[in-house]
Amino acid sequence: IAGITQAPTSQILAAGRRMTLRCTQDMRHNAMYWYRQDLGLGLRLIHYSNTAGTTGKGEVPDGYSVSRANTDDFPLTLASAVPSQTSVYFCASSKQNAGAGNNEQFFGPGTRLTVL
Amino acid sequence: SQQGEEDPQALSIQEGENATMNCSYKTSINNLQWYRQNSGRGLVHLILIRSNEREKHSGRLRVTLDTSKKSSSLLITASRAADTASYFCATGSGGSNYKLTFGKGTLLTVNP
Repeated sequence: IAGITQAPTSQILAAGRRMTLRCTQDMRHNAMYWYRQDLGLGLRLIHYSNTAGTTGKGEVPDGYSVSRANTDDFPLTLASAVPSQTSVYFCASSKQNAGAGNNEQFFGPGTRLTVL
Repeated sequence: SQQGEEDPQALSIQEGENATMNCSYKTSINNLQWYRQNSGRGLVHLILIRSNEREKHSGRLRVTLDTSKKSSSLLITASRAADTASYFCATGSGGSNYKLTFGKGTLLTVNP
């Protein structure tokens, strides 16, 4: 694989169910991010990870959790899905070399999630 | 909360014309980036301009940055139908995590 992959491509989920969105990158990037994109609201950061073993909260973290056990994988979990979590979810990564100022992000293709 | 705000929200032009999109932001930045998103796809990085730069070119793209006005513009020259997409600005404010804050985007339609 080259770049970032996300799985599944789309999912319809009953409210109250648990769901994990998967994200894997093969670029050995330090930082990874999860965004949700909603019409009229643009991209909003859910959680991020600067490096393996660390995570942080973004703008809209409630109802979501993440883990970063290794460099390549950054799964996003919805413990108990609610209809307001219907959205398109994008995973991204960046090199994030400290001091380089080059923090361009590379995005996955997205997961379209519908919670009924 | 959005740091960058694009203007206009939507822009429709004819093939061959130039397209200009603007971005305003609120706080000091280390760099500003522009991304493109085709319908149903992920965002793709176009260009990055650092806070000490005023203008940058990449192919048919020209980006300007005015830190005194906290604004940037993206110019696409000689537009093509394939340029039809949403364009987002994103600001990076440094620190230890290099998080980006994205605007809501400009939807550009280039009519053949």
